[in-house]
Amino acid sequence: EVQLVESGGGLVKPGGSLRLSCAASGFTFDGYTINWVRQAPGKGLEWVSSISGISRYIYYADSLKGRFTISRDNAKNSLFLQMNSLSAEDTAVYFCVRARRGYQHYFDFWGQGTLVTVSS
Amino acid sequence: QSALTQPASVSGSPGQSITISCSGTSSDVGGYNLVSWFQQHPGRAPKIIIYDVTNRPSGVSNRFSGSKSGNMASLTISGLQAEDEADYYCSSYTTTSTVVFGGGTKLTVL
Repeated sequence: EVQLVESGGGLVKPGGSLRLSCAASGFTFDGYTINWVRQAPGKGLEWVSSISGISRYIYYADSLKGRFTISRDNAKNSLFLQMNSLSAEDTAVYFCVRARRGYQHYFDFWGQGTLVTVSS
Repeated sequence: QSALTQPASVSGSPGQSITISCSGTSSDVGGYNLVSWFQQHPGRAPKIIIYDVTNRPSGVSNRFSGSKSGNMASLTISGLQAEDEADYYCSSYTTTSTVVFGGGTKLTVL
């Protein structure tokens, strides 16, 4: 059974940093592109970043302005999102999302998300 | 990377059909046949219901169908059921290898 379990969310002050993790199981992790997608409270979905199976291809949403860094450790079946210079606008549930292999845009499995709250 | 445009809300009665539109540009919706649709119930993670414009994942009801014309994609739900009440999001791959979502549409089953 495919599972994606996010962790690392919590309360952080404006200007602070946070590192999110996503633990994957039930599939061959290094064969899949994984994405981060976020959702502010009561708002819509926003794509954040993606990283290919062996980290060759990495992309970010323009709105992040270089503040976030995605990475993965295939030996530990884990995905990470390092978030710096956080502001209230970054408050959201962050989902770890798998893209089905062989498809450019087929988000087939989503984690349950981890909540990041940026507030003083 | 402007968000795709969806109506904020749509509604329909049980048994009826509704269509949700998703408007983009030639750099996203119009540029590829890579539009997806997601259903999200309150407090739950989104679930994919359409990929590559028209394809349904295994297990998704055939009451859900997708289409595209130019820079506009659409999701049609036929034979509305109470359980269809949810938020619906479109998304598209873009020419810069990123992904853009629509703002979401709240479906109310009357």
